[in-house]
Amino acid sequence: AQSVTQLDSHVSVSEGTPVLLRCNYSSSYSPSLFWYVQHPNKGLQLLLKYTSAATLVKGINGFEAEFKKSETSFHLTKPSAHMSDAAEYFCAGGYQKVTFGTGTKLQVIP
Amino acid sequence: KAGVTQTPRYLIKTRGQQVTLSCSPISGHRSVSWYQQTPGQGLQFLFEYFSETQRNKGNFPGRFSGRQFSNSRSEMNVSTLELGDSALYLCASSLEGGLKETQYFGPGTRLLVL
Repeated sequence: AQSVTQLDSHVSVSEGTPVLLRCNYSSSYSPSLFWYVQHPNKGLQLLLKYTSAATLVKGINGFEAEFKKSETSFHLTKPSAHMSDAAEYFCAGGYQKVTFGTGTKLQVIP
Repeated sequence: KAGVTQTPRYLIKTRGQQVTLSCSPISGHRSVSWYQQTPGQGLQFLFEYFSETQRNKGNFPGRFSGRQFSNSRSEMNVSTLELGDSALYLCASSLEGGLKETQYFGPGTRLLVL
């Protein structure tokens, strides 16, 4: 079976401080992994994806994620949070079909 | 290039009715996937269509069906609506539907079943 698990349902950070959103994956094979962001009443927007090339993946809006096979993790980070980053973030991935994590709501405190 | 469009954006139905949702993919994209998003179950994959054929299917009852037309536009139908079908239905398109491809999502159709 293949799945992704988001370890935190809510994360709260102060504006200007680092962001860490955690995602672990479970797959027998090297998966494709994605991070999406969803703002209220909007569809999902791709932030970045890993497809077995470089393990450190840079995405839009200053986000990046590192694929760590030894830890089966694909955590999303950003050095400095901005108010506009407040949204829900989804980790997704799989080998044959994509499954989504349950989402992490990011709150940014001014 | 225009993005993925979904119509209608909002819909209110009553139990037992049926509903049809529409999705127009990005021009040139041949794969269309449908997802159901609810607070309790999160994002769940419904099905994927490619070149007018259903290629993958999630674990939903037969009341949920879909089709794709020759211009890649897709429709999703839910018959005999239940209260639990209230959700945001998202459509996503990609070029060929491969797992490594980026999926582009529409804004969704919010369905409320009373």
